[in-house]
Amino acid sequence: GQQLNQSPQSMFIQEGEDVSMNCTSSSIFNTWLWYKQEPGEGPVLLIALYKAGGLTSNGRLTAQFGITRKDSFLNISASIPSDVGIYFCAGQQDTGTASKLTFGTGTRLQVTL
Amino acid sequence: GAVVSQHPSRVICKSGTSVKIECRSLDFQATTMFWYRQFPKQSLMLMATSNEGSKATYEQGVEKDKFLINHASLTLSTLTVTSAHPEDSSFYICSARVRAWYGYTFGSGTRLTVV
Repeated sequence: GQQLNQSPQSMFIQEGEDVSMNCTSSSIFNTWLWYKQEPGEGPVLLIALYKAGGLTSNGRLTAQFGITRKDSFLNISASIPSDVGIYFCAGQQDTGTASKLTFGTGTRLQVTL
Repeated sequence: GAVVSQHPSRVICKSGTSVKIECRSLDFQATTMFWYRQFPKQSLMLMATSNEGSKATYEQGVEKDKFLINHASLTLSTLTVTSAHPEDSSFYICSARVRAWYGYTFGSGTRLTVV
């Protein structure tokens, strides 16, 4: 199935640094979602984006819905050790409860003290 | 908030046997649930869409006779891996959406190991 391209694939950063990652698609999506997954767990929703060009924040996290509807960005400010995990973007083409998500390839984040 | 409970969290089975995984929406009704498979260090790949009261919709390349899905109530969907083989070993995750314009909630996943 289709996957969205995420970059970077992995990041090793020091505590306190800011992090940026992005997600691109060849298709248009009407909703972009960002999830975090920790080992042995299911993904947990971080931010949902519903408006093209819009910027949404959740604490230290800020995400943007690209104006072309084909990309999205996630920024984490002042990283802390508990930010470690895999971050996935996901796109959805319609808003119904039965509509499918397409996931990105993931960005693995490691934070060192 | 919306909670999706998945059980078991880990299962080891012998090759050739069948395994059932349950996915329950605890505080909301889910007419649709989704089943994903995730191999180590890879992303989530949608296997099938589970529809309450009707047949599941399978993604291309997923064998419907091998991965049986039953969605008999608005709060329970089950995935049965039939005649499991070592290559079916993976992390299986279900999800559901509370309502339109709301993010999807995921279960905690089931680690299946076929020996």
